[in-house]
Amino acid sequence: DAKTTQPTSMDCAEGRAANLPCNHSTISGNEYVYWYRQIHSQGPQYIIHGLKNNETNEMASLIITEDRKSSTLILPHATLRDTAVYYCIVKGGGNTGKLIFGQGTTLQVKP
Amino acid sequence: DTAVSQTPKYLVTQMGNDKSIKCEQNLGHDTMYWYKQDSKKFLKIMFSYNNKELIINETVPNRFSPKSPDKAHLNLHINSLELGDSAVYFCASSPPTGGPGNTIYFGEGSWLTVV
Repeated sequence: DAKTTQPTSMDCAEGRAANLPCNHSTISGNEYVYWYRQIHSQGPQYIIHGLKNNETNEMASLIITEDRKSSTLILPHATLRDTAVYYCIVKGGGNTGKLIFGQGTTLQVKP
Repeated sequence: DTAVSQTPKYLVTQMGNDKSIKCEQNLGHDTMYWYKQDSKKFLKIMFSYNNKELIINETVPNRFSPKSPDKAHLNLHINSLELGDSAVYFCASSPPTGGPGNTIYFGEGSWLTVV
């Protein structure tokens, strides 16, 4: 599975959009980009995933560059409850389905 | 309804003891996992089972023995507990492996403290 690079930490003002970047320059054609988050003392929570196209769901939007070497997770209106560690993970098929977590980005949403 | 549930949530035990953590999922998934999160907060896979068969064992000491009585349950038994086993253990499940678009869902974690 491809490795990912994320900033260690970010701040965001409550009510503003939070844009979390991720680099995955060695991603291969059949690998998906996944985003999870872990709120303090809870289990990792699935947010969104995508292959090539941009994706949107009730939690967030995922923007994947055309060359697929990077992506951005967008939380459109961040709230204090969005404070968490956000993990960008690249996962391929034909393997065992496991997720390889890096250290993620600690997002602090401030009032 | 809780999708992936683990018990106990908190466990404090002495070195040398044997303990088990139970996990159940009601999502109808075929694959279940155990992950460990250590004091440095890194999450790492330990085991994966698909339809009761072991498919991943990530060089975990053989004191750790997963058991899957059916595809909805994956229990983790730990023998001769050591101080270094103190961690948060997360159970997870997903639809069948081999599909990169299959999402993995996690339980809330079991906090194990060995004293």
